[in-house]
Amino acid sequence: EAQVTQNPRYLITVTGKKLTVTCSQNMNHEYMSWYRQDPGLGLRQIYYSMNVEVTDKGDVPEGYKVSRKEKRNFPLILESPSPNQTSLYFCASSPGLRYEQYFGPGTRLTVT
Amino acid sequence: AQKVTQAQTEISVVEKEDVTLDCVYETRDTTYYLFWYKQPPSGELVFLIRRNSFDEQNEISGRYSWNFQKSTSSFNFTITASQVVDSAVYFCALSRELVQGAQKLVFGQGTRLTINP
Repeated sequence: EAQVTQNPRYLITVTGKKLTVTCSQNMNHEYMSWYRQDPGLGLRQIYYSMNVEVTDKGDVPEGYKVSRKEKRNFPLILESPSPNQTSLYFCASSPGLRYEQYFGPGTRLTVT
Repeated sequence: AQKVTQAQTEISVVEKEDVTLDCVYETRDTTYYLFWYKQPPSGELVFLIRRNSFDEQNEISGRYSWNFQKSTSSFNFTITASQVVDSAVYFCALSRELVQGAQKLVFGQGTRLTINP
């Protein structure tokens, strides 16, 4: 089954404790991206990657890091989480932005 | 700058009514792509439709229809004879390919649609 998986689905952590949210797709898509969803703001793009070792900032990259060492994986790293990063995070993949995005199930992160 | 505006934050209608969700976009590009996604209460994001900037034909899929008008920079979504299962948050999105292959995708704020029985 074609899918995008994210782990964990729910995470509660404390300020400053480094965390990684994993994202994996099995569709051989070149394009992957991370979004955060906040009430009243819709989805905002954090980072995206057009292929292995090619990443770029989206609209809200501050406080986040990503890497793309393999085509299927695109982890999101929060080196020092802060409460303003409490949000619902979605990973997505697609053959390119001309096409629809395939979204993961979402990760709800709470930073206290 | 690229922007998508969904001015309707929340809409509530009674089942079987028709409802239109508005989407207005801003871009200076001649080539771009427009999308609608649905987010039901379970939280996942479901793709509904894609349109490129050169295709202004309206689209109908069952009870769903989309009206793309470049002259007004709008890509509106209509649900005919709404059902309770249509209750969800709906997002309109705009993507573009920048120079050197970079790509950007921008979402609207979303419209929460509630269909009451």
